[in-house]
Amino acid sequence: EVQLVESGGDLVQPGGSLRLSCAASGFMFSSHGMNWVRQAPGKGLEWVSGISGSGGNTYYADSVKGRVTISRDNSKNTLYLQMNSLRVEDTAVYYCAKLRGIMVVLYDAFDTWGPGTTVTVSS
Amino acid sequence: EIVLTQSPGTLSLSPGERATLSCRASQSVSSKFLAWYQQKPGQSPRLIMFGASSRATGIPDRFSGSGSGTDFTLTISRLEPEDSAIYYCQQFINSPLTFGGGTKVEIK
Repeated sequence: EVQLVESGGDLVQPGGSLRLSCAASGFMFSSHGMNWVRQAPGKGLEWVSGISGSGGNTYYADSVKGRVTISRDNSKNTLYLQMNSLRVEDTAVYYCAKLRGIMVVLYDAFDTWGPGTTVTVSS
Repeated sequence: EIVLTQSPGTLSLSPGERATLSCRASQSVSSKFLAWYQQKPGQSPRLIMFGASSRATGIPDRFSGSGSGTDFTLTISRLEPEDSAIYYCQQFINSPLTFGGGTKVEIK
């Protein structure tokens, strides 16, 4: 069974840092691009960042560019999101999501989502 | 950035009725790069349609998608109580990937 499980969400003060993780299982992790999508309380979905299967290509939304780094460890089947200089507006549930196609860098639908991990930025 | 505008904001229908959800893009999107997701309260989103008209695995055939260019439609032919959810369209023709604001489908 294809499964994604996020962790690392927490309550953090503005300006703080956090690293989110997403453990993947049930598929050839290195063959699929992966993404982070967030959802602020009561709001819609916002794409945050994406990474190719090899990790050689990364993409960011303007709202997080320069503050966030996406990475992956294919030997551990794990996706990461390092978040720095956190702002109140970064408060959200963060989902990791798998691209549907094999060897697709970014431009594909998200066919599997994790349950999400909650990041709260507040003083 | 491609902006996706979904309408209506809320759709309130009875079981067995037909639901028609619209997604309009600010610039042309190849149908190959348009998807729809369903999100129920407290759950993560679920892919229901990709390539504008291809159903994802396990999605019943009462769901169908159509459209091209800037106008796309998700149709639920005969609403079931379990279809109550928020539906989002998404484009992935270029970065940044964007989602529409969602249409909430309520079952009376």
